[in-house]
Amino acid sequence: GENVEQHPSTLSVQEGDSAVIKCTYSDSASNYFPWYKQELGKRPQLIIDIRSNVGEKKDQRIAVTLNKTAKHFSLHITETQPEDSAVYFCAASMRQAGTALIFGKGTTLSVSS
Amino acid sequence: DVKVTQSSRYLVKRTGEKVFLECVQDMDHENMFWYRQDPGLGLRLIYFSYDVKMKEKGDIPEGYSVSREKKERFSLILESASTNQTSMYLCASHSGRAGHEQFFGPGTRLTVL
Repeated sequence: GENVEQHPSTLSVQEGDSAVIKCTYSDSASNYFPWYKQELGKRPQLIIDIRSNVGEKKDQRIAVTLNKTAKHFSLHITETQPEDSAVYFCAASMRQAGTALIFGKGTTLSVSS
Repeated sequence: DVKVTQSSRYLVKRTGEKVFLECVQDMDHENMFWYRQDPGLGLRLIYFSYDVKMKEKGDIPEGYSVSREKKERFSLILESASTNQTSMYLCASHSGRAGHEQFFGPGTRLTVL
């Protein structure tokens, strides 16, 4: 089945710096790659996603890139702010399961001011 | 706004008890999911359902079962709770249509003593 590896597990940056989180997946049939943000004590919420027919997608300070050949995708956050501090999860769609997702283990991002 | 609710935020049970975790969504979503979240392990898919009375195993179904008698409700059952099932349980739902996001409930923190 699908396996998703996420790195790093923790990331500390200064306010204003950029942050990059990387994920790799194993199943070449996966075609949907969302990123979720989970603040302390809250539920995960979708922040951006990308489909396999697209190489890059941007939404203000957040961007995701996808390399299908290498089976990896990355989250880029520019001009980080303290409110970006949270746990970030990448995910990939399961092969035969449509909307079911396999998640990475998460990255704890800390932005210090 | 999609609303996904879970029957309890906190639950304490004893080893060997039968435990029911309930999830309800109010947006007529086709697909529903149960995950457990543990520190350092991310979100792991237990079971999911694409239709009423239908269920599929995720990555870690052992020790769990599910029930979906109505479209809006998806129940997770621990037949005989064990201490290693102490965890945060998250329910999610999805419309079933491509391009839509998976919405999470607030989670149930289950402690098995």
